[in-house]
Amino acid sequence: KNEVEQSPQNLTAQEGEFITINCSYSVGISALHWLQQHPGGGIVSLFMLSSGKKKHGRLIATINIQEKHSSLHITASHPRDSAVYICAYGGSNYKLTFGKGTLLTVNP
Amino acid sequence: GAGVSQSPSNKVTEKGKDVELRCDPISGHTALYWYRQSLGQGLEFLIYFQGNSAPDKSGLPSDRFSAERTGGSVSTLTIQRTQQEDSAVYLCASSPTPDRNSPLHFGNGTRLTVT
Repeated sequence: KNEVEQSPQNLTAQEGEFITINCSYSVGISALHWLQQHPGGGIVSLFMLSSGKKKHGRLIATINIQEKHSSLHITASHPRDSAVYICAYGGSNYKLTFGKGTLLTVNP
Repeated sequence: GAGVSQSPSNKVTEKGKDVELRCDPISGHTALYWYRQSLGQGLEFLIYFQGNSAPDKSGLPSDRFSAERTGGSVSTLTIQRTQQEDSAVYLCASSPTPDRNSPLHFGNGTRLTVT
């Protein structure tokens, strides 16, 4: 069983919709990362958070340490947001454990 | 400024051959990581370098895999006697400080295909 579970695995939305991607993990962590991977492209680090909430443009990431759960929200989604979104945690060491990713497709 | 640079971007090799993958981290970044992303699989950690410390090789899948980092900068991942299951995208990342919670900067990866 993967220690990091993401849901949904696939998500299709219409432009302008509010998007939520969820991440649950099973161990104590010190930091949680949200990453974005465009098709054929590299990976971009979106957020690193250990508590509360962070916002960057239309992206918002939240984490609940007690519930071992994090969410990534995208407001006013746009086709250019189409990508794979990956959740990863850094626990007692620096070796990140990754979720399998959520494939988001935003249609115009 | 320049990001993490990896070369080659694509590599096709025959089973049994050795390959070398190169990573140039962002200048001044002390931590360097190698990850692998196999088709249909998530990312997995391979190896970590921090400054002049001995690398953490605990993620390397077999003794055919090795890596070095010269002068605390450029890193080379070597796969000997490649097998088809080694086909994957190999990603390098660096971070600015020893803090294991530092944000990571990824390269675009090397897509390795073993035929």
